[in-house]
Formats: sequence, C-alpha cells, structure tokens
Amino acid sequence: EIVLTQSPGTLSLSPGERATLSCRASETVYSRNLAWYQQKPGQAPRILIYGASSRATGLPDRFSGSGSGTDFTLTISRVEPEDFAVYYCQQYGNSLLTFGGGTKVEIK
Amino acid sequence: QVQLQESGPGLVKPSDTLSLTCAVSGHSISSTNWWGWIRQPPGKGPEWIGYIYYSGSAYYNPSLKSRVSMSLDTSKNQFSLKLNSVTAVDTAVYYCARTSSNWYFFDSWGQGTLVTVSS
Repeated sequence: EIVLTQSPGTLSLSPGERATLSCRASETVYSRNLAWYQQKPGQAPRILIYGASSRATGLPDRFSGSGSGTDFTLTISRVEPEDFAVYYCQQYGNSLLTFGGGTKVEIK
Repeated sequence: QVQLQESGPGLVKPSDTLSLTCAVSGHSISSTNWWGWIRQPPGKGPEWIGYIYYSGSAYYNPSLKSRVSMSLDTSKNQFSLKLNSVTAVDTAVYYCARTSSNWYFFDSWGQGTLVTVSS
C-alpha cells in the first residue's frame, strides 16, 4: 500500500500570499494517478487537480499542480479568502486508493 | 448532473453490521465509472473503503477487506456498503462517490452521513 505524507500539517498565510503544499509518496506514483482535493468544514471533498497537473472544470488558474515520481506539489499562486480549507492528495495504484493526511491552510 | 445521496442508520451498536445505501440520480451506475465509499472519522482525513464497478468487480481497502462488502442494484440505480463487526473506531462520516470515467479520482460526492457506533 502506497502511503502519502503531506507537509506542512498547517500553513498560516495572509490573503494574497503564495501557498505551496507537498505530497510525498512511499513508492512511485504515476502522474496520471495523483489527485488533489479541497475540503471545507461540513462539506465533502471537492476535486481540484487530477493527473497531477490538470485542473478540474471551472477551477481558477491560481491553482496548479506539479510533480512526478514520489514528489508532488499543489500551488496556490495568491491565496483568496475562499481558499482557506484543508487540502488532501490521493493516489491510485494496483487497484487501491489512498489519501494523504492533509494540509490545513489557515488565515494568519 | 449526477447526484448521490447516502442513507442508513446513524447509530449502530458495537459488533453489529453497518449498512448504507447510495442512491444515484442523473447518471446510470451501469457506466464506465467506479462507485465508491470513503469515510472520515471526526477531525481526521478521508479513508478509502472500496469501490465497485457495474460488472460487479470490487476492490477494498486491505485494512477493512475482511469486514467489507459492496453491491449494486441497477434496477434502483443505487449501490450499497456493508461493514460488519463494527467498533467505536468505525465512527465516521461515510461518503459515497463516483470516479471520473477512465480515471481514478472522485469527481462527484454525496453529502455524507455520520454513523456513530455506540451501545
């Protein structure tokens, strides 16, 4: 089973700042099989990025995904007030899925 | 637009079986998507439970595999989860979700239902 480790656990930022979130896998993950979600309190996760770098329909271009192999990154170029939330990465491999532990982006 | 809605008991006794159903509207479950269950204990991250294809093929989280089963009811366009021998650690919000066609990420989710395991 592939384990995903996200860092940092919490990111404290002011609106307009850049957010860089990391997701590290215990084994190689094909880029096609890496996704990022956003979750706000009381809501289900929402897909942001799939295939490591493809934006979901309607997602603002301030969100971008990158990486390959075991290291993947979600970047928010300028954090907006609505972006304060928890972010999870998720991978698929050998018919199994796993989620990372999450990074909380909070208002500084 | 696809919609998913979980239903089932909100309280289950220890050692009993947790049973949930996900009703799907706006999309046939007999399509090239996997239909999955994910749970999230209070204050923790999501945990994939498993998913099932319209053919009946299913894959489960190895940590839960011995206690989990999933099934489809194409006549009602819904799918179900059973988790047996539950304990307090199974207390969580349970979500049903759909994978995007030919991909392995979840593009549509139900609102989630809280299931508490307690006597």
